Amino acid sequence: EAGVAQSPRYKIIEKRQSVAFWCNPISGHATLYWYQQILGQGPKLLIQFQNNGVVDDSQLPKDRFSAERLKGVDSTLKIQPAKLEDSAVYLCASSSLRGLYPDTQYFGPGTRLTVL
Amino acid sequence: GENVEQHPSTLSVQEGDSAVIKCTYSDSASNYFPWYKQELGKGPQLIIDIRSNVGEKKDQRIAVTLNKTAKHFSLHITETQPEDSAVYFCAASRRGNNRLAFGKGNQVVVIP
Repeated sequence: EAGVAQSPRYKIIEKRQSVAFWCNPISGHATLYWYQQILGQGPKLLIQFQNNGVVDDSQLPKDRFSAERLKGVDSTLKIQPAKLEDSAVYLCASSSLRGLYPDTQYFGPGTRLTVL
Repeated sequence: GENVEQHPSTLSVQEGDSAVIKCTYSDSASNYFPWYKQELGKGPQLIIDIRSNVGEKKDQRIAVTLNKTAKHFSLHITETQPEDSAVYFCAASRRGNNRLAFGKGNQVVVIP
């Protein structure tokens, strides 16, 4: 079974520029998550999709971050404009969400963003 | 929301010895507790998880114990090997949603 795919793996931009990340979840997984991991910290959830609907985006800075999951499969996360404090690894994860019980989340390799 | 804390932040062990990492959580409604291993340049990889209806779970050299009364859970790695060197994250989530609250991570160094 193929894992969660993400691209690009690395991105360097200047502040105020825009950037987009792409994620392809494990086949058949209905739920997709985007996390931000700042150096030395644990991942922090930004947004959760179930199929193509948003379940939780309470921690997404909506003035500059946006995400979409068209057709309930791939997803893109965009930052516009980027700030220095957005430098982090952006992780995508997916799960099958079979019921009310929390389900196992599988992570991709992440995209390391550096904002100069 | 849920708050998860990990102790210690860094742990060095001799190869072959055991390593124990402890996490505490704040939300008594949390019922799912996974442990992830993250190697440099990679995403977190699930190594073991436990749900609140059991107190202990074991998978080869790795085990997790849960104390719901004290609201803490621990990762135990026996017969440590150099490839166990990594950052380990604990997390917690509650029934009804899949939001994982992560701890800050523990750097485990296995000394050959």
